[in-house]
Amino acid sequence: DAKTTQPPSMDCAEGRAANLPCNHSTISGNEYVYWYRQIHSQGPQYIIHGLKNNETNEMASLIITEDRKSSTLILPHATLRDTAVYYCIDGGDTNAGKSTFGDGTTLTVKP
Amino acid sequence: SQTIHQWPATLVQPVGSPLSLECTVEGTSNPNLYWYRQAAGRGLQLLFYSVGIGQISSEVPQNLSASRPQDRQFILSSKKLLLSDSGFYLCAWTGGAPFSGANVLTFGAGSRLTVL
Repeated sequence: DAKTTQPPSMDCAEGRAANLPCNHSTISGNEYVYWYRQIHSQGPQYIIHGLKNNETNEMASLIITEDRKSSTLILPHATLRDTAVYYCIDGGDTNAGKSTFGDGTTLTVKP
Repeated sequence: SQTIHQWPATLVQPVGSPLSLECTVEGTSNPNLYWYRQAAGRGLQLLFYSVGIGQISSEVPQNLSASRPQDRQFILSSKKLLLSDSGFYLCAWTGGAPFSGANVLTFGAGSRLTVL
């Protein structure tokens, strides 16, 4: 079973911000939060990661709550190309690859 | 820069036939390597991971096996395919030991297997 929980689907209007939530109920103190996305029939692509602080890169922003039990991925200006399945996982420096991917959130960006 | 190659991209095999999927990583040494399987519309299930040559750990019992004959080569095999082996197979790597900090997965493009 996945360690994280996400809503199965979300819609977003093109040009608006997409906010994707994730619950990390069993995350431990040294485990990172990672977000990936998978466009249909492709391999998943890394988006962003964080430990305690909020993070931003050219793709997205990551907000992590103070208790680290939940995170939110923010795509500030969603485009049609952002339509994909988004996965959040958590894992430590040695076991990140062994983290379980749940079914993710299917984000549909609509014109 | 690091790259990961996975082949074949697509294959259709009859039940009972053998399988070999290959994955190679370039531009890094001593990576951790992973094989995942994805059923249609579902998340990724970890099948095998390897922290070094000849070192394979299996996460779920199944009809498949994995081998790592070289540092940057990871092979997924089966002697006799079952219908239930159909799916999208993904190879991935992360940095290997010694390592500290975040460890990001980099995935290959995937191999879509259909068993008839």
